[in-house]
Amino acid sequence: EIVLTQSPGTLSLSPGERATLSCRASQSVSSYLAWYQQKPGLAPRLLIYDASNRATGIPARFSGSGSGTDFTLTISSLEPEDFAVYYCQQRNMWPPLTFGGGTKVEIK
Amino acid sequence: EVQLLESGGGLVQPGGSLRLSCAASGFTFSSYAMSWVRQAPGKGLEWVSTFGVGGVGTYYADSVKGRFTVSRDISKNTLFLQMNSLRAEDTAVYYCAKVLTPGGMVMHFDSWGQGTLVTVSS
Repeated sequence: EIVLTQSPGTLSLSPGERATLSCRASQSVSSYLAWYQQKPGLAPRLLIYDASNRATGIPARFSGSGSGTDFTLTISSLEPEDFAVYYCQQRNMWPPLTFGGGTKVEIK
Repeated sequence: EVQLLESGGGLVQPGGSLRLSCAASGFTFSSYAMSWVRQAPGKGLEWVSTFGVGGVGTYYADSVKGRFTVSRDISKNTLFLQMNSLRAEDTAVYYCAKVLTPGGMVMHFDSWGQGTLVTVSS
């Protein structure tokens, strides 16, 4: 099973700041990694798939990079609606599909 | 517009059974693999099961294998999850999710339902 480790657990930032979230895989997942955003009480929303492709309707301030075992989600300038929990997920080797433990982006 | 609507959750005693449904609309249901993903209260996301397309079959997390069964009714555009021998650790919100591309197994999820809560407790 591929384990995804996200860091930091919590990121405290102000609106307008840049957010950098990390996801590290226990073995290579090639570029087959996605990022999701989840707000309280709501379902997750796909932001980025296959490491760097923005999903439909996702603003350009969200970008993904990386390959192999190290991946980054960057939010270039935080908007108020971006404060949420973010999860990474791999599809390279499954079953099982696996998710990271999440990074909470909170208002400082 | 893609819509996924789960139902069937509720309170069940340990050892009991529930059947979840996910009614799909707005896309060609038969062409897409579909999955169930759950989230225990205050916890992260956990993949549960996938119903594939093109005869590739069904897949399960080890934690539910032998107890849960995923199926679908194409005539009703509905995905099901039959859950037997339920345990306290199965307590979670259960989401159905649609994969990104038709006809294949690109297992990233671009549409999710609102979720249905399953509580296993005596």
